[in-house]
Amino acid sequence: EIVLTQSPGTLSLSPGDRATLSCRASQSVSSNYLAWYQQKPGQAPRLLIYGASDRAIDIPDRFSGSGSGTDFTLTISRLEPEDFAVYYCQQYGSSPPFTFGPGTKVDVK
Amino acid sequence: QVQLVQSGAEVKKPGSSVKVSCKASGGTFGSNTVTWVRQAPGQGLEWMGRIILIFGSANYAQKFQGRVTITADESTSTAYMELSSLKSEDTAVYYCARDGLKTSALDYWGQGTLVTVSS
Repeated sequence: EIVLTQSPGTLSLSPGDRATLSCRASQSVSSNYLAWYQQKPGQAPRLLIYGASDRAIDIPDRFSGSGSGTDFTLTISRLEPEDFAVYYCQQYGSSPPFTFGPGTKVDVK
Repeated sequence: QVQLVQSGAEVKKPGSSVKVSCKASGGTFGSNTVTWVRQAPGQGLEWMGRIILIFGSANYAQKFQGRVTITADESTSTAYMELSSLKSEDTAVYYCARDGLKTSALDYWGQGTLVTVSS
């Protein structure tokens, strides 16, 4: 089973700041099948990034993903008020289970 | 645009079972698999298992092996997740989600079903 570690646990920033979130895998993620999700309180998760770097439909271009192998990054270039949320990475490349990371909370400084 | 509509909240006794449904609007999931994910109060997302629709076969997380059964009825575009031998630690919101044919990631999610296990 691939274990995902996310850092930091909490990121305290202001609107307009740049956010850099990290996701590290315990072994290489097959075909860079790494996704990022955003979750707000009381809501289901929303897909932001798939295949490590492709934006899902209707996702603003201030969200970008990068990385390969075991190290991946989600960058939010300029935080908007609606971007304060919890972000999860998930690997779905090798055989199941398709594990999630523990999440990074982006909150207002 | 597909919508996944889940069944309503449940309150169950320890030791009992719960079956949650997930129905795709429009008559089809439009995907290869349906996955179930749960989230305990204040906690992160936990992958439980998935069903490959064309084969009707399922894979489960080791943690839930023997307690969870995921099925699907393509004639009604409905997937099910049944969890047995419930414990208080199973209190959580349970989500279904489908994988996109283009993305292979979980691009549409149900609204979630709260299952409360309490004596």
